[in-house]
Amino acid sequence: NAGVTQTPKFQVLKTGQSMTLQCAQDMNHEYMSWYRQDPGMGLRLIHYSVGAGITDQGEVPNGYNVSRSTTEDFPLRLLSAAPSQTSVYFCASMGQGATDTQYFGPGTRLTVL
Amino acid sequence: GQSLEQPSEVTAVEGAIVQINCTYQTSGFYGLSWYQQHDGGAPTFLSYNALDGLEETGRFSSFLSRSDSYGYLLLQELQMKDSASYFCAVPDNQAGTALIFGKGTTLSVSS
Repeated sequence: NAGVTQTPKFQVLKTGQSMTLQCAQDMNHEYMSWYRQDPGMGLRLIHYSVGAGITDQGEVPNGYNVSRSTTEDFPLRLLSAAPSQTSVYFCASMGQGATDTQYFGPGTRLTVL
Repeated sequence: GQSLEQPSEVTAVEGAIVQINCTYQTSGFYGLSWYQQHDGGAPTFLSYNALDGLEETGRFSSFLSRSDSYGYLLLQELQMKDSASYFCAVPDNQAGTALIFGKGTTLSVSS
């Protein structure tokens, strides 16, 4: 199993550009989440999904969209990038009924100029 | 809302024991988790406590007191490779399937 994969690993955008961060998992997990990590701020929840077709907002959803058309994929879209969105983005998945362990992808390091 | 408090930094020497504390505020409680993150890496799961008491996994142990809304991670026989950030986390009330994290404790182990 590859676990949770994310692409790209690094990305530089200009203010106003849009892009999609990809996330996929091959563990057949129902639950998937997106977090952003900024220095001194820990990990903050952006959006999450409890299954295909079901998504909801987390703590810091503004400026981001998600969709979940399949169990495996959970892309995160930046609609119009802003410098405040410079961060490291982590995708995570968890099996249904397991409230203890989240599996994280390797992260995407995004810089918005 | 939910919040978790943990010290920002802890330093120790190889072979020592260190305890990282975490206090939390949450309206519903489903358990306290601990994650480790090395520089440039992804968080990885260390332990989970749903009930009061001590859970031991090798050199690492985690403790929970639900009545005190408090837990800690205990690292014994410290090694240089234990230098990392450690996060406590609780399930997000609304989601129940995502986590709310503390801001993390950076552990530096010296020889």
